[in-house]
Amino acid sequence: DQQVKQNSPSLSVQEGRISILNCDYTNSMFDYFLWYKKYPAEGPTFLISISSIKDKNEDGRFTVFLNKSAKHLSLHIVPSQPGDSAVYFCAASYYGGSQGNLIFGKGTKLSVKP
Amino acid sequence: GAGVSQSPSNKVTEKGKDVELRCDPISGHTALYWYRQSLGQGLEFLIYFQGNSAPDKSGLPSDRFSAERTGGSVSTLTIQRTQQEDSAVYLCASSLSRDYYEQYFGPGTRLTVT
Repeated sequence: DQQVKQNSPSLSVQEGRISILNCDYTNSMFDYFLWYKKYPAEGPTFLISISSIKDKNEDGRFTVFLNKSAKHLSLHIVPSQPGDSAVYFCAASYYGGSQGNLIFGKGTKLSVKP
Repeated sequence: GAGVSQSPSNKVTEKGKDVELRCDPISGHTALYWYRQSLGQGLEFLIYFQGNSAPDKSGLPSDRFSAERTGGSVSTLTIQRTQQEDSAVYLCASSLSRDYYEQYFGPGTRLTVT
């Protein structure tokens, strides 16, 4: 039973355009959501997060939107740059949860073309 | 400061042999996590340690897998009698404590069982 789902395994975007990565979850107890970026042969690096008490969090070119009623969150990157090409993982957690606190989706590979 | 380090970066072993993977967390981080990522899959939680508490082993796939954390710092993940399905990238992460959602990952160990 996959609690965090990233239904698009890949996404290709032109440089300068907006990249939108989507994530759906099933567990209504999740209260914190994170996005990680992973380059080949490197570990994931934390990108941005959002608490369930908010519906938007922005950090530079990156914005995460949370729609609790739809159990959906998205990461917007604007403008997209070739260096953003990586695999993006959505992760979720809830206070008191087990399984190491974070439950990850399978990732979306973003390719930003110059 | 220094991030999470893992060794070796790559390990090739024959089926049936035992392997040990090492993780050095960020200094001062009391929580330590092991994940693995198989080809085309997301990050799968294996085990986590919080301070001196008993580890949460709920993610270990079989009794061939074990882990220990000595002195509240370095951790070793041991896989006995390796099987081909154990081939994956094994990732270690640490966080300030279990209550801090952001986890910081090491570069991983790519294990190949032939």
